[in-house]
Amino acid sequence: NAGVTQTPKFRVLKTGQSMTLLCAQDMNHEYMYWYRQDPGMGLRLIHYSVGEGTTAKGEVPDGYNVSRLKKQNFLLGLESAAPSQTSVYFCASGGQGSADPFDGYTFGSGTRLTVV
Amino acid sequence: AQSVTQLGSHVSVSEGALVLLRCNYSSSVPPYLFWYVQYPNQGLQLLLKYTTGATLVKGINGFEAEFKKSETSFHLTKPSAHMSDAAEYFCAVSDRSGYALNFGKGTSLLVTP
Repeated sequence: NAGVTQTPKFRVLKTGQSMTLLCAQDMNHEYMYWYRQDPGMGLRLIHYSVGEGTTAKGEVPDGYNVSRLKKQNFLLGLESAAPSQTSVYFCASGGQGSADPFDGYTFGSGTRLTVV
Repeated sequence: AQSVTQLGSHVSVSEGALVLLRCNYSSSVPPYLFWYVQYPNQGLQLLLKYTTGATLVKGINGFEAEFKKSETSFHLTKPSAHMSDAAEYFCAVSDRSGYALNFGKGTSLLVTP
């Protein structure tokens, strides 16, 4: 059981480049989330999804887009990377069917992104 | 909106000593409260959670937390620290109608021999 898998694990981008981070979960969770973690800032929610085909903005959505075309996948896109987007990105999933979504998230191991 | 404040960005304890990590929450509705642990270069792992029922919640690795509504607190404790407890700890809160957790800024726990 792989849980939540994030790819890639590391990436270096030049300012203005684009990229997509992939999150895949095999637990049939309804809810998926993208957070960024910066020193001294904790985890801040970027976007989330409460089901296939749905997305919503979190606390810091600017500069990012997401898609949830399949229930098991949640993609995070950076259209034009900026140095301020240098961060560690975590994907998480939770909730099975109609069950309480707050049974606890499962987190991926993170993607460390550097924008130069 | 719900939020949490973790008091102390760094806490240092001796091996065998009591661990106390403080978390206060702000919520206009009854909250769901969580503690997560993050080991270096890893994702977050759920330690324990409070949703309803008993206010003293026991989690993994000997940790527990008590929900105190009157104090709006959810402090994390462990009677005796182990070297392996050294990690970053995050408190998180959510309301019962929303879908996402709001995390505190984290407390780094250092355990000294």
